[in-house]
Amino acid sequence: GENVEQHPSTLSVQEGDSAVIKCTYSDSASNYFPWYKQELGKRPQLIIDIRSNVGEKKDQRIAVTLNKTAKHFSLHITETQPEDSAVYFCAASHSGNTPLVFGKGTRLSVIA
Amino acid sequence: NAGVTQTPKFRILKIGQSMTLQCAQDMNHNYMYWYRQDPGMGLKLIYYSVGAGITDKGEVPNGYNVSRSTTEDFPLRLELAAPSQTSVYFCASVAGGGHYEQYFGPGTRLTVT
Repeated sequence: GENVEQHPSTLSVQEGDSAVIKCTYSDSASNYFPWYKQELGKRPQLIIDIRSNVGEKKDQRIAVTLNKTAKHFSLHITETQPEDSAVYFCAASHSGNTPLVFGKGTRLSVIA
Repeated sequence: NAGVTQTPKFRILKIGQSMTLQCAQDMNHNYMYWYRQDPGMGLKLIYYSVGAGITDKGEVPNGYNVSRSTTEDFPLRLELAAPSQTSVYFCASVAGGGHYEQYFGPGTRLTVT
């Protein structure tokens, strides 16, 4: 089955700097790669996703890149703000309808 | 739309007790999922359903059961609760048909002592 590895487990950045979180996956049939943000005590919230027919997707300060050959994808947050502090999870699935396999999460702290 | 709702929000169970976690969605989504999230960890799939009457096991199904008699509801049953089932449980749904976003419920925090 699919296995998703996520690094780093914790990340501290200064406000205004960029943050990068990386994930690798094992199943070459995976085609859908979402990123979730989870604040303490809250449900995961989708922040961006990418499908395998696209190499990069951007939404304001957030971007995701996908390298299907190497089986890895990354989340990039630019101009970080204190409200970006949260736990971020990557995930993978064969399609949007099949269950997601999650990474273990990255705790991002943005220091003002 | 209320989206995905879960009840209860919190529950404390004694070892050996049973309970049902309720999940409902009003978006007419075909696909529904149950995940558990242990402290400091990612989400692990317990069971899922691709439509009314159809369910399948996920990565960690032992100690749980599900049913899907309607499109809207997907209850999760815990029999003979054990301390290892202490976790936060999230229900989620997906529309299907090219729509991929999973909508999560607010979660149920369960403690078994």
